[in-house]
Amino acid sequence: GAGVSQSPSNKVTEKGKDVELRCDPISGHTALYWYRQSLGQGLEFLIYFQGNSAPDKSGLPSDRFSAERTGGSVSTLTIQRTQQEDSAVYLCASSLGPRGGVGDTQYFGPGTRLTVL
Amino acid sequence: KQEVTQIPAALSVPEGENLVLNCSFTDSAIYNLQWFRQDPGKGLTSLLLIQSSQREQTSGRLNASLDKSSGRSTLYIAASQPGDSATYLCAAEAYSGAGSYQLTFGKGTKLSVIP
Repeated sequence: GAGVSQSPSNKVTEKGKDVELRCDPISGHTALYWYRQSLGQGLEFLIYFQGNSAPDKSGLPSDRFSAERTGGSVSTLTIQRTQQEDSAVYLCASSLGPRGGVGDTQYFGPGTRLTVL
Repeated sequence: KQEVTQIPAALSVPEGENLVLNCSFTDSAIYNLQWFRQDPGKGLTSLLLIQSSQREQTSGRLNASLDKSSGRSTLYIAASQPGDSATYLCAAEAYSGAGSYQLTFGKGTKLSVIP
């Protein structure tokens, strides 16, 4: 079956503009995660969704970052008033959920490379 | 706060060698330990997941071990091939206390297998 897909694959924007990044998880996966990978840094957790609710937003770096998920499927990560330090690869992952055994394995999308000029 | 360290940062070996990648984590209260592979410009591929109650997992030429008490995991790759060249990431998953389980990643080991 299809894996996790993300769009766009690349996004170049000007400082101060808003951007939206999209994630389509694997069908039937109830858990969805967003991560950020900055140059020279490891992956950082941003937010976790179980169904449409986000019990853990602790990784969002500022209030310019928000995310939503609708229909228990597609998720959108929105960055308002982008800054140069937001430049990174944004990765989305999904897992079968809930917790336990093989359902824990996270499947990652190819990422969106965001460049803020 | 959980910290994950991977040593070495980069490794170059001739084809056919067996090799070991190391991962250490500071908080032993983990839910599981995962190893991923990342190819340039691509997302992550899950290789092995070891639950906290397990000691090791095997998949083909890959074997991962977990020693929770010492905060260590190793990924053993047997008979390395050029196609194994990639960055290998270790991640420890633990309850965040904020309603979810979170993966904390190391910065990876970049492996090059020379034909």
